[in-house]
Amino acid sequence: ETGVTQSPTHLIKTRGQQVTLRCSSQSGHNTVSWYQQALGQGPQFIFQYYREEENGRGNFPPRFSGLQFPNYSSELNVNALELDDSALYLCASSVLGGGTGELFFGEGSRLTVL
Amino acid sequence: RKEVEQDPGPFNVPEGATVAFNCTYSNSASQSFFWYRQDCRKEPKLLMSVYSSGNEDGRFTAQLNRASQYISLLIRDSKLSDSATYLCVVNPNTNAGKSTFGDGTTLTVKP
Repeated sequence: ETGVTQSPTHLIKTRGQQVTLRCSSQSGHNTVSWYQQALGQGPQFIFQYYREEENGRGNFPPRFSGLQFPNYSSELNVNALELDDSALYLCASSVLGGGTGELFFGEGSRLTVL
Repeated sequence: RKEVEQDPGPFNVPEGATVAFNCTYSNSASQSFFWYRQDCRKEPKLLMSVYSSGNEDGRFTAQLNRASQYISLLIRDSKLSDSATYLCVVNPNTNAGKSTFGDGTTLTVKP
């Protein structure tokens, strides 16, 4: 196991609602990244947090937002949910500066938007 | 055009076969390269890093051609347990968190 935990594992929402996903990163890792994986596609980078600040963002609208806490845990918030937001949301922790380049993923939160 | 492109497959091979996966990337400034494995409905896990000199880990061999912006993965003596989706991953720098993934190549190894 990677030591990265995510919650909830599954959830169902309706269009227009808001969702918060949570992640606890692996001990000793200082960055958390969030990825969206739609069915049949590879993970797509949403954003990364380092020292509690956003440290890079992929091609996702502002209704995708996040937080990183002093204990390196993180949240992903999505507002005004759309049907296309249905996907597996993966949290990955890593070490910025001196790391091996490996990403350690949690098991993901599977979101279904109806 | 996607930044990282892979043949989606699926590749259906018998046990013991040798299979090769290819990947191309568009950002010539990319710095680090990896293959990840993803089992059905599970999270991706690192299979191996990829170096210009080529590297081998048991039955798996990875190769990088920077001039052609091409990455390969060779699996020899395929096992049933090798059935999975193989994701090609490229980083623009040493920051692993901003990785770009291909859409994966699906391998099914049959008895």
